[in-house]
Amino acid sequence: DSGVTQTPKHLITATGQRVTLRCSPRSGDLSVYWYQQSLDQGLQFLIQYYNGEERAKGNILERFSAQQFPDLHSELNLSSLELGDSALYFCASSVAPHGEREQFFGPGTRLTVL
Amino acid sequence: AQKITQTQPGMFVQEKEAVTLDCTYDTSDQSYGLFWYKQPSSGEMIFLIYQGSYDEQNATEGRYSLNFQKARKSANLVISASQLGDSAMYFCAMGFYNQGGKLIFGQGTELSVKP
Repeated sequence: DSGVTQTPKHLITATGQRVTLRCSPRSGDLSVYWYQQSLDQGLQFLIQYYNGEERAKGNILERFSAQQFPDLHSELNLSSLELGDSALYFCASSVAPHGEREQFFGPGTRLTVL
Repeated sequence: AQKITQTQPGMFVQEKEAVTLDCTYDTSDQSYGLFWYKQPSSGEMIFLIYQGSYDEQNATEGRYSLNFQKARKSANLVISASQLGDSAMYFCAMGFYNQGGKLIFGQGTELSVKP
């Protein structure tokens, strides 16, 4: 158990819908990262927050948005869902702001868009 | 370009033997970290080992060691005394300190340990 929690574990929805994925980092970790893992794209970095502020952005679609709240939990919002958004979404947390330390991954949310 | 290359899609190793998983990387950054993660069939990503670009000694964590050759831009993972539970997908990743620490991943190597 990494100490990072993600809910829900599985999510099945239809095209065009909107979903919210939730992540709670390890106690004491201020950095939260979101990654997407799909068969065709592999593991891709989406976005990072550090202590409530966006720190880095990767290949995140405009239909996707995220935020980190004062209690440090984070949410990833996916809207206007398409079939290609089906993937495993990971949240990771780290104590370091710049990647100087390891990132611990949550169990992931498996999203299926039908 | 920033890229991680894992050239071995799949590997087999006999139980109790050592195995080396290859990883090469490409970056012009001077400050970066190299990581290895294990992903069993259950799907979670498990951190194994980390090497900073300025670390002169190779990192070790139990049965895992990272063979870091900076000039050759390689960061191979060595697993000693393989166990059946080591069967999994292994990902090499690189983190960039000037970009918030985002990780870019290789395509992974699927390791199968034979009894």
